[in-house]
Amino acid sequence: KAGVTQTPRYLIKTRGQQVTLSCSPISGHRSVSWYQQTPGQGLQFLFEYFSETQRNKGNFPGRFSGRQFSNSRSEMNVSTLELGDSALYLCASRRDLQETQYFGPGTRLLVL
Amino acid sequence: AQKVTQAQTEISVVEKEDVTLDCVYETRDTTYYLFWYKQPPSGELVFLIRRNSFDEQNEISGRYSWNFQKSTSSFNFTITASQVVDSAVYFCALRMSNTDKLIFGTGTRLQVFP
Repeated sequence: KAGVTQTPRYLIKTRGQQVTLSCSPISGHRSVSWYQQTPGQGLQFLFEYFSETQRNKGNFPGRFSGRQFSNSRSEMNVSTLELGDSALYLCASRRDLQETQYFGPGTRLLVL
Repeated sequence: AQKVTQAQTEISVVEKEDVTLDCVYETRDTTYYLFWYKQPPSGELVFLIRRNSFDEQNEISGRYSWNFQKSTSSFNFTITASQVVDSAVYFCALRMSNTDKLIFGTGTRLQVFP
C-alpha cells in the first residue's frame, strides 16, 4: 500500500510570493494533519482535517491556510511568504478508529 | 498545558551498544497516546511505537523496547545492540484523545559509530 505522498518535494520561492503544498493520504485514511519543522521552533502543529472540515488549528498567522477535498487529499497555502517560513512541511494521515499517524516525506520550502 | 521534554540533545554510541532515549511528558488528561518517531536525514518521520495511557504494559519488539511509567510521566525508548542505520533524530510525541495534534519533544540526535 502506498504511503503518504507530498508534492512538491522541494520548492524555492521569494518573499511576498504565495505557495501551495499538496498531500495525498494513505488510501482509506480520512484524517490529515500538517506540521512545520524548523531548526529554531522544532515540530509545530499547523492544522488537522477530517472529512473536509478543519477540526483544529495551531498558533500560526492567517497567512497559513488549508483545505481538504472529498477524496481526503489536502492542500495548505501560505500567502505573502516571509523568510521565516522556510521549513520542512510534513503531512500525516490517520485511519478512523486507529491512533497512529503516518507521515509523508515532507516538502522543503526555501524562501529567499 | 501539555508538554514533552527530551532532555538528551545528542547521544553517541558505538555499534552494538544499548542506548536509552528519555522522554518526560506533562498532561492532566487521563486518556492520551504516546509515540516515538524516527527521522533519518531524508526528513520523513517514521513511526516506531505507540502506547495508550491506559496500558502500561511494557514490551519488546525486535531490538526496540519501551518503558512507560505513568507515576513518573516517562516514556523511555531503548534500542538494543545499536546499528549504524539507527543513526537519526528520535522524537517523542504526545496526543490527547480528542485531537490529531501531536505535541513533539525537541528530539534526540543519535549517532551510532562503527
